[in-house]
Amino acid sequence: EDQVTQSPEALRLQEGESSSLNCSYTVSGLRGLFWYRQDPGKGPEFLFTLYSAGEEKEKERLKATLTKKESFLHITAPKPEDSATYLCAVQARGNNRLAFGKGNQVVVIP
Amino acid sequence: EAGVTQFPSHSVIEKGQTVTLRCDPISGHDNLYWYRRVMGKEIKFLLHFVKESKQDESGMPNNRFLAERTGGTYSTLKVQPAELEDSGVYFCASSLRTDYGYTFGSGTRLTVV
Repeated sequence: EDQVTQSPEALRLQEGESSSLNCSYTVSGLRGLFWYRQDPGKGPEFLFTLYSAGEEKEKERLKATLTKKESFLHITAPKPEDSATYLCAVQARGNNRLAFGKGNQVVVIP
Repeated sequence: EAGVTQFPSHSVIEKGQTVTLRCDPISGHDNLYWYRRVMGKEIKFLLHFVKESKQDESGMPNNRFLAERTGGTYSTLKVQPAELEDSGVYFCASSLRTDYGYTFGSGTRLTVV
């Protein structure tokens, strides 16, 4: 069964203090690894898809990287509006469903 | 472009009652998915439609859950009869492709008392 473990569960950052979130995964043949952002009371909002080890994607202050066993979401110089839960999910070859981790809850303090 | 719409946003029902959740996907998205998050756990897959056909329903917990997608447009998820463990947030998502990020709705929070 596909498994995703995210760490740390919760993170408090000062505004401007860069940090990284970890997503470790086991999957029987990776088709894609997804990062989502979720705000309270809302559904997950798509950020990135990574397909192969060594791939990197960036969006504003966020940068996602992928290895064969884990992915990192780097948050550079975060702002309070980056406060959210970040979700990692994997999709195995041969199926279309996503297996999610429990998320990284990030709070950025002004 | 309108997003994925779910309603109701909240529903409180008694154990043994029936509840129907509705999802309107983004127009033109053939792929429609249902996921669920119960308290303290991760979001879990329930099923996947391609147009009106069920592509994968391996995540449906039991036969008290019935999903339909009329004419390949909106979808409903019926729980009958509801049990306490069915409480959680039910998310619907849609996509053009199956290997790219989905667009999720805001979810329906179901509480069974």
